[in-house]
Amino acid sequence: NAGVTQTPKFRVLKTGQSMTLLCAQDMNHEYMYWYRQDPGMGLRLIHYSVGEGTTAKGEVPDGYNVSRLKKQNFLLGLESAAPSQTSVYFCASSLVNEQFFGPGTRLTVL
Amino acid sequence: AQSVSQHNHHVILSEAASLELGCNYSYGGTVNLFWYVQYPGQHLQLLLKYFSGDPLVKGIKGFEAEFIKSKFSFNLRKPSVQWSDTAEYFCAVNANNAGNMLTFGGGTRLMVKP
Repeated sequence: NAGVTQTPKFRVLKTGQSMTLLCAQDMNHEYMYWYRQDPGMGLRLIHYSVGEGTTAKGEVPDGYNVSRLKKQNFLLGLESAAPSQTSVYFCASSLVNEQFFGPGTRLTVL
Repeated sequence: AQSVSQHNHHVILSEAASLELGCNYSYGGTVNLFWYVQYPGQHLQLLLKYFSGDPLVKGIKGFEAEFIKSKFSFNLRKPSVQWSDTAEYFCAVNANNAGNMLTFGGGTRLMVKP
């Protein structure tokens, strides 16, 4: 099993550009999550999904959208990137309480 | 909403020193507790977890944590650290009214000098 994978690993955007981050899991987990990690702030939940076709807002959802069209995939979109969205983005999935994390995407917005 | 505090932001130890990292949370109800580790350039990995039962939990790589309900704490310990323990450590809490959501602390960056 690959576990949780994320693409791309790195990306540099200019302010105003858009992009989509892809998360995939092969563990048949119902729950999936998108976090951002910033120095000294731990991980903050952006959006999450409790199952295929469902999404919900987390702690810091502004400027992001998500979709869960297939159970194994959870997409995070930035419609108009801003420098404040420079961060490392982690996807995670879980069956119940324990979350399994992907390797992260380092995004820089200039 | 619950919050999680890790009071030590940076810790520097020499090899063989003992380690204790603090974690306190604010929720008064039933909780599940986790410690995750992030080695340089890698993703988060689970070190240990507490759901119920014995409040002293043993995890991988010689780590353990003790849940003290009266103090709302879940401190991480290791009797003798190694250079390979250099990493960032995150405490996380799942409150029973929050579904599967985790609230993370701000992290503690540990550097072990050889």
